Amino acid sequence: AQKVTQAQTEISVVEKEDVTLDCVYETRDTTYYLFWYKQPPSGELVFLIRRNSFDEQNEISGRYSWNFQKSTSSFNFTITASQVVDSAVYFCALSSRGDNFNKFYFGSGTKLNVKP
Amino acid sequence: DTAVSQTPKYLVTQMGNDKSIKCEQNLGHDTMYWYKQDSKKFLKIMFSYNNKELIINETVPNRFSPKSPDKAHLNLHINSLELGDSAVYFCASSRSGQGNTEAFFGQGTRLTVV
Repeated sequence: AQKVTQAQTEISVVEKEDVTLDCVYETRDTTYYLFWYKQPPSGELVFLIRRNSFDEQNEISGRYSWNFQKSTSSFNFTITASQVVDSAVYFCALSSRGDNFNKFYFGSGTKLNVKP
Repeated sequence: DTAVSQTPKYLVTQMGNDKSIKCEQNLGHDTMYWYKQDSKKFLKIMFSYNNKELIINETVPNRFSPKSPDKAHLNLHINSLELGDSAVYFCASSRSGQGNTEAFFGQGTRLTVV
């Protein structure tokens, strides 16, 4: 069975602080994909990144960085120098070969509050 | 241009009514989805279509019936609405059903059943 756990329900930081959002996944498949999405207060879901199971390289995009570690089944997301506009609910998601990749399993989300 | 658009954005209706939510994508994607987000923000897949063919039907009451007239459209019809159907419904599409491409989501339809 596939499962994504985001243990942090809510995090509050002050602007310019760095913050890491944790994501732990479970799957028996060797081929799978991991994703992060952002849901701002306006409600839409915005795609941030996709990572496949064969690529453990970390990725940096501006203030965002992602750390993928198969050994710990984690795909953590770090925001450097957070800004108020980063306030949102962030979701980690998984799709895998076992389901023919036709499903995205989402974690329960982490609500990030960035205060000025 | 909106990539995945769904209408209406808000829907308030009484128990027992029948309602539809429409979804269209202009990305040329083969796969479309319906997801339900409950009051705790949990997102769960309801249906997945690939080239108009139903691929996934999660344990959704048969009061929910998706229809895909072509691969750019996936509508959701709900019969005999119940209070528990209140949620945000998201339509999404992806280039293939192979999971190796991200899904793009519509802005959501907030359904309130009173």
